[in-house]
Amino acid sequence: DAGVIQSPRHEVTEMGQEVTLRCKPISGHNSLFWYRQTMMRGLELLIYFNNNVPIDDSGMPEDRFSAKMPNASFSTLKIQPSEPRDSAVYFCASSLTRLYGYEQYFGPGTRLTVT
Amino acid sequence: GEDVEQSLFLSVREGDSSVINCTYTDSSSTYLYWYKQEPGAGLQLLTYIFSNMDMKQDQRLTVLLNKKDKHLSLRIADTQTGDSAIYFCAESNDYKLSFGAGTTVTVRA
Repeated sequence: DAGVIQSPRHEVTEMGQEVTLRCKPISGHNSLFWYRQTMMRGLELLIYFNNNVPIDDSGMPEDRFSAKMPNASFSTLKIQPSEPRDSAVYFCASSLTRLYGYEQYFGPGTRLTVT
Repeated sequence: GEDVEQSLFLSVREGDSSVINCTYTDSSSTYLYWYKQEPGAGLQLLTYIFSNMDMKQDQRLTVLLNKKDKHLSLRIADTQTGDSAIYFCAESNDYKLSFGAGTTVTVRA
């Protein structure tokens, strides 16, 4: 199993540009999560999909952020326009929903730097 | 809301046992997790424990849960240099994980 795949691993962009982060979850998993990690705020859940449907997007910072999951094997997180304060490591995680417990498996992350 | 607290740093000699502690506030937590993050990498799920258990052992890892005090610990036996990393405690009662700030473990020779 390849695990959760994210691309790109690093992204450097200028303020105002559009950024698209990509994620391929583990095959067979039906839940997908996008997180942001910063020194100041730690790990924050941005959005949660179950069976490709967004269930909880309360962590999405503002309208500049959007996420899609067009099918079970692909998700994107888009920032438009990007700002320096968006600089962070963005993780995608996937899990198989059980009655109890979500064992979330994380991708390697995308380190985003907005100058 | 949920709150998870951990000490920030732990230094341990190679071969000794490490104990990382965590406290949480949500009494409805169903599962409690330990994740490991190495530099430049994502979070790796190490182990988890269901809230009706007191202890779980998995090779060198032992998880202890005191539900009354809302205290969770992770013991790593025979700590090795490869155990140097940040360890995150997390709790959940549904899909939402609440993470602590992470404990940076440094293993010295």
